[in-house]
Amino acid sequence: DTGVSQDPRHKITKRGQNVTFRCDPISEHNRLYWYRQTLGQGPEFLTYFQNEAQLEKSRLLSDRFSAERPKGSFSTLEIQRTEQGDSAMYLCASSGAGAWSQYFGPGTRLLVL
Amino acid sequence: AQKVTQAQTEISVVEKEDVTLDCVYETRDTTYYLFWYKQPPSGELVFLIRRNSFDEQNEISGRYSWNFQKSTSSFNFTITASQVVDSAVYFCALSEASTDSWGKLQFGAGTQVVVTP
Repeated sequence: DTGVSQDPRHKITKRGQNVTFRCDPISEHNRLYWYRQTLGQGPEFLTYFQNEAQLEKSRLLSDRFSAERPKGSFSTLEIQRTEQGDSAMYLCASSGAGAWSQYFGPGTRLLVL
Repeated sequence: AQKVTQAQTEISVVEKEDVTLDCVYETRDTTYYLFWYKQPPSGELVFLIRRNSFDEQNEISGRYSWNFQKSTSSFNFTITASQVVDSAVYFCALSEASTDSWGKLQFGAGTQVVVTP
C-alpha cells in the first residue's frame, strides 16, 4: 500500500507565473486535504475534498488558488499569478471514510522569485 | 484565535535524556481528536498518535508516551531516552467534530527537538 505522493517535490517560479501541483492519495481514501506550511509555522488548512466534492475552503485560499479532484482520485492545486508570499510548502493528506487520521505526502516546496 | 498552543519553540537535550513536549488546546466541541505528528528534516509529516476526547487513558508506544488531561486541556508528549534520530519538529493538532470543520486539522506552531550525542 503506497503512501500519499506529491509532484513535483520542488518548484521554482517567477512572480506572475502559474503553477500546478498534483497529489495522489492513498488508494481508497475518499478524503483529501491541502495544507500550506510556511517556515517556522505549523501547517494551515486550505481545502478538503470528499470524493470529488470540495466541501470546505479556507479564507486563506484566495481567488488565485483553485483545487480540483476529478473522479475522486488525484487532486490538483493551481496557483495563478504567483506572488512571493505564496512561497511555502504545500502539503497534501488523505484519510479513509469515517477515519480521523490523516496521512501526509512529502509536500511540494514552492519558491516564487 | 490559536486553538493549539505549543509554548516551547525549541528543546535541546543530550542523548538518553527524557524530553516532554507540551500542548494546550482550546475547543467548545465535546467530540474532538488530538494528534501528534513528527516532521524530520526531510519535511514529511509522520503520524504518531490520535486520541479522541472520550478516551483519557494515557498511552505508551515504545519510547513514546502521551498524557491527555481534559481538565487542563493538555495533551503532552514524552520521549524517553531520546536518540539523535528523534531530532525533528513535533506538531500537536486538533480536529473538531462540528459539522463545518469535520476532519480539518488545526496545528500548533511546533516544537523543535534537538538531540545531541
